[in-house]
Amino acid sequence: AQSVAQPEDQVNVAEGNPLTVKCTYSVSGNPYLFWYVQYPNRGLQFLLKYITGDNLVKGSYGFEAEFNKSQTSFHLKKPSALVSDSALYFCAVRGANFGNEKLTFGTGTRLTIIP
Amino acid sequence: DTAVSQTPKYLVTQMGNDKSIKCEQNLGHDTMYWYKQDSKKFLKIMFSYNNKELIINETVPNRFSPKSPDKAHLNLHINSLELGDSAVYFCASSPTRNTGELFFGEGSRLTVL
Repeated sequence: AQSVAQPEDQVNVAEGNPLTVKCTYSVSGNPYLFWYVQYPNRGLQFLLKYITGDNLVKGSYGFEAEFNKSQTSFHLKKPSALVSDSALYFCAVRGANFGNEKLTFGTGTRLTIIP
Repeated sequence: DTAVSQTPKYLVTQMGNDKSIKCEQNLGHDTMYWYKQDSKKFLKIMFSYNNKELIINETVPNRFSPKSPDKAHLNLHINSLELGDSAVYFCASSPTRNTGELFFGEGSRLTVL
């Protein structure tokens, strides 16, 4: 069974500092990896994805994530945090094989950017 | 012009009642989903339809019955509501069944009293 672990429920970062939100995964075969963001009382919004190719993927709002196959990780990063980045972030995984369409989400990490 | 729209946004009802949540997407996507988000924000897939065909059916009580009259609509009917059904239910869609890039609706908050 596939799974995602987000080890930190809460991450606090000072505005202007770099931020990292951690994610590790488990899946059969090659992974498709995703990050989503949820603002209060809203649906999830897609941020970025890794399918294949370059291990560093860039997404919306200046976010990027690095795929590390040996560590089965896909950490979300941003060089300089903004107060508006404060939200709930979800990592998700599915297998690359056809027929494995189920997207499994992590438990979420609440990111708070301190002015 | 909302891409994935759900109605109602809020639903408060008594235990034992039957209720429905409707979802429509105007993105031309083939695949639609229902997710449940509990009070701890844990997100779990319930169902997925691809071109009106059920492709994912997680371990969900059979009181929950999805229905997809066409590929732009996916409704969720819940019979005999229980307290534990209280949650936010999210509808989502994706261009095909093979992408994990989902477009979510704003959610329907169900409260069972």
